[in-house]
Amino acid sequence: DGGITQSPKYLFRKEGQNVTLSCEQNLNHDAMYWYRQDPGQGLRLIYYSQIVNDFQKGDIAEGYSVSREKKESFPLTVTSAQKNPTAFYLCASSGGGALTGELFFGEGSRLTVL
Amino acid sequence: GENVGLHLPTLSVQEGDNSIINCAYSNSASDYFIWYKQESGKGPQFIIDIRSNMDKRQGQRVTVLLNKTVKHLSLQIAATQPGDSAVYFCAENLSGSARQLTFGSGTQLTVLP
Repeated sequence: DGGITQSPKYLFRKEGQNVTLSCEQNLNHDAMYWYRQDPGQGLRLIYYSQIVNDFQKGDIAEGYSVSREKKESFPLTVTSAQKNPTAFYLCASSGGGALTGELFFGEGSRLTVL
Repeated sequence: GENVGLHLPTLSVQEGDNSIINCAYSNSASDYFIWYKQESGKGPQFIIDIRSNMDKRQGQRVTVLLNKTVKHLSLQIAATQPGDSAVYFCAENLSGSARQLTFGSGTQLTVLP
């Protein structure tokens, strides 16, 4: 079945460590996104990519990094510079080169900093 | 039951009743609106969308109403079922670009037996 796969589902990190969250899609979508969700809040855009080898900062990019070496993959690294990294991270994709509003989401990765 | 957007983030309804979830959006230039459903611990799922040239759109058991005059969006769920319990987000989209997708904080819908 086509879809978006995020891993790991749960991740624990010590302060000062970088962690990388995986996002893979087999929907043949050009655009991919990373959102952060905090309890009781909506989704905030971290980074997005409209095409391979290109990505743009979203509203809360500080302390995060991404790469887009393959169309299917858009990993997110949460660096030690992110001051409050504990959150639920959602990856999404869309067809049409980010020109459509409908996003298809993965199941999310919950990161907890110990 | 009826929820008034961000001021009442929870809504409880009896099974079988109709639910109305409201959302006030911020940008009068937004031209595309989406409702998502998010079950606990999962990613959001698309429910229904509407473009600004429409004021009503119906799906299976769901209806979205758009009032551009007051920048108000609502989601109506008919004959609410236990499986409808989730957080519902509205999102507004500027110029048809997902880059401009802005999400509300959501409404928790609880269906009572």
